[in-house]
Amino acid sequence: GIQVEQSPPDLILQEGANSTLRCNFSDSVNNLQWFHQNPWGQLINLFYIPSGTKQNGRLSATTVATERYSLLYISSSQTTDSGVYFCAVLYSGGGADGLTFGKGTHLIIQP
Amino acid sequence: DGGITQSPKYLFRKEGQNVTLSCEQNLNHDAMYWYRQDPGQGLRLIYYSQIVNDFQKGDIAEGYSVSREKKESFPLTVTSAQKNPTAFYLCASSSGAYNEQFFGPGTRLTVL
Repeated sequence: GIQVEQSPPDLILQEGANSTLRCNFSDSVNNLQWFHQNPWGQLINLFYIPSGTKQNGRLSATTVATERYSLLYISSSQTTDSGVYFCAVLYSGGGADGLTFGKGTHLIIQP
Repeated sequence: DGGITQSPKYLFRKEGQNVTLSCEQNLNHDAMYWYRQDPGQGLRLIYYSQIVNDFQKGDIAEGYSVSREKKESFPLTVTSAQKNPTAFYLCASSSGAYNEQFFGPGTRLTVL
């Protein structure tokens, strides 16, 4: 099956800093999503981005499907940005099944 | 107020008992999914359903069963055959197989 690797696994930053989270995947995909998991476990949709670039406030994402990676940018970090960020993909050769998740990046924003 | 609901939020089960987790959506989505999350890990697919009365096994289906009798509902039964059932279970739905998936708040299952 498809492999999804996220880096870094852990990231500790001061409030106001910028960060870049990376997601590498091993094969072609039909769907790529970024999620933020809050302390209560809820997965919050950030971006649906199988290719191209999108921006939403302080967050933006870029997926280069031909090179099999995606980047999530967080600017001017706030303490509420803390949590785990997941990248998940839908393998295009696997039929219409579910998402394959990376292990996540654990982000801690210190005041 | 559209969304995905899961119940209960917390569930405790004795070894050897079957237990059913509820997932309901009012988004009019055709596809529904069940995932499992273990501590410090990403989510793994248990079962999925693209249409009513049809469902397929995911990567870790052993010890689980599902039904899809209504478009809005996709309950998951954790059977006594599941060797390590303690985990966080999340349900998701999407309007189509390749479309954006949205998740419910999850159920934390603990086997005592």
